Amino acid sequence: GESVGLHLPTLSVQEGDNSIINCAYSNSASDYFIWYKQESGKGPQFIIDIRSNMDKRQGQRVTVLLNKTVKHLSLQIAATQPGDSAVYFCAENHNYGQNFVFGPGTRLSVLP
Amino acid sequence: NAGVTQTPKFQVLKTGQSMTLQCAQDMNHNSMYWYRQDPGMGLRLIYYSASEGTTDKGEVPNGYNVSRLNKREFSLRLESAAPSQTSVYFCASSRGTYNEQFFGPGTRLTVL
Repeated sequence: GESVGLHLPTLSVQEGDNSIINCAYSNSASDYFIWYKQESGKGPQFIIDIRSNMDKRQGQRVTVLLNKTVKHLSLQIAATQPGDSAVYFCAENHNYGQNFVFGPGTRLSVLP
Repeated sequence: NAGVTQTPKFQVLKTGQSMTLQCAQDMNHNSMYWYRQDPGMGLRLIYYSASEGTTDKGEVPNGYNVSRLNKREFSLRLESAAPSQTSVYFCASSRGTYNEQFFGPGTRLTVL
């Protein structure tokens, strides 16, 4: 079946450290991936995206890595800050349309 | 720009009652979506509208209907609410198929 999942449901990191959030996907036809951040009581917010013709994409303090061989996606956050505390979702699109499939999410807690 | 707006923010219904959730976007986006999010889970697509005048079923369409009223507005209707429809509902919009989705703040719905 098609699924997007996360290896770690919760992640706690020290402020200033780097965070790595992982995501596995099972559909090799998936060709577009997005990471979203959701703060408590709010809607998801776009962080970064990557297409399957890329292995890496960088944004401000965030990097997404895509390993198509093992169908794995990761989000790296540099110098994690208290404001990064949230639930992070990966989502994949593989139908040349609108059917994004979301993973269950990873909660990131930043310790002072 | 307000982005994506949703009304109401909260709603309590009795089993069998009907209601319509409203969504509007002011970003001139072509595509709009309705998701539901249950506790501890990711988002599941209910219905989407790739462009004005079209609607399609997502992963969990049963018990719902939608209307793309115009390019700005996309409503979700529960004809006969059931306790299983207790959830947080998010509306989103995007410029096109392979573009980031912008989410509204959500509607928290409880069906007794």
